[in-house]
Amino acid sequence: GGIITQTPKFLIGQEGQKLTLKCQQNFNHDTMYWYRQDSGKGLRLIYYSITENDLQKGDLSEGYDASREKKSSFSLTVTSAQKNEMAVFLCASSRDRGGEQYFGPGTRLTVL
Amino acid sequence: GDSVTQTEGLVTLTEGLPVMLNCTYQSTYSPFLFWYVQHLNEAPKLLLKSFTDNKRPEHQGFHATLHKSSSSFHLQKSSAQLSDSALYYCVNTGYQNFYFGKGTSLTVIP
Repeated sequence: GGIITQTPKFLIGQEGQKLTLKCQQNFNHDTMYWYRQDSGKGLRLIYYSITENDLQKGDLSEGYDASREKKSSFSLTVTSAQKNEMAVFLCASSRDRGGEQYFGPGTRLTVL
Repeated sequence: GDSVTQTEGLVTLTEGLPVMLNCTYQSTYSPFLFWYVQHLNEAPKLLLKSFTDNKRPEHQGFHATLHKSSSSFHLQKSSAQLSDSALYYCVNTGYQNFYFGKGTSLTVIP
């Protein structure tokens, strides 16, 4: 088994601020993902990475940067936080791009 | 191109009635479909995945059959339970990418 850790659990920032969310996995999975989930809505893919230093844009990548520093970690940066971005951000990993995804507990973003 | 479409929005059922959540897909190559479930304040987790050998996956009373003729992978359960209330996602893993459906919110009432 393994686990996905997301930090912080709650993130509060000011409008226009640059904010970074972090994700770590110990599954030794190749592929990692970042999703945004607005309240009561479905998942939307922001970025994913199939290996260290790889980045692939999802449908919602505008306004975000990502970094896959090493196999076990995947960071997401909100480049200029906006109030309409308040949501839960979920990180996931899978053995490969087509495999079962395991999700972390999420980071809840609040923008003041 | 590859895609997935599922019953959108809210589905409300009375406990004990059958559940059927629709999922259809478009896939350039052999499809590989998943159903994920997300309970309130929890992370999504895998419920079912399709097999390549036409076996019918089952878990927690739910089952889904991949029908290539109709491009469908509908989620079914014979009798809904209150604990089945959750958000359900159908996912299609295509050749180059993967596609999450928009999610179906199932509410089971007594």
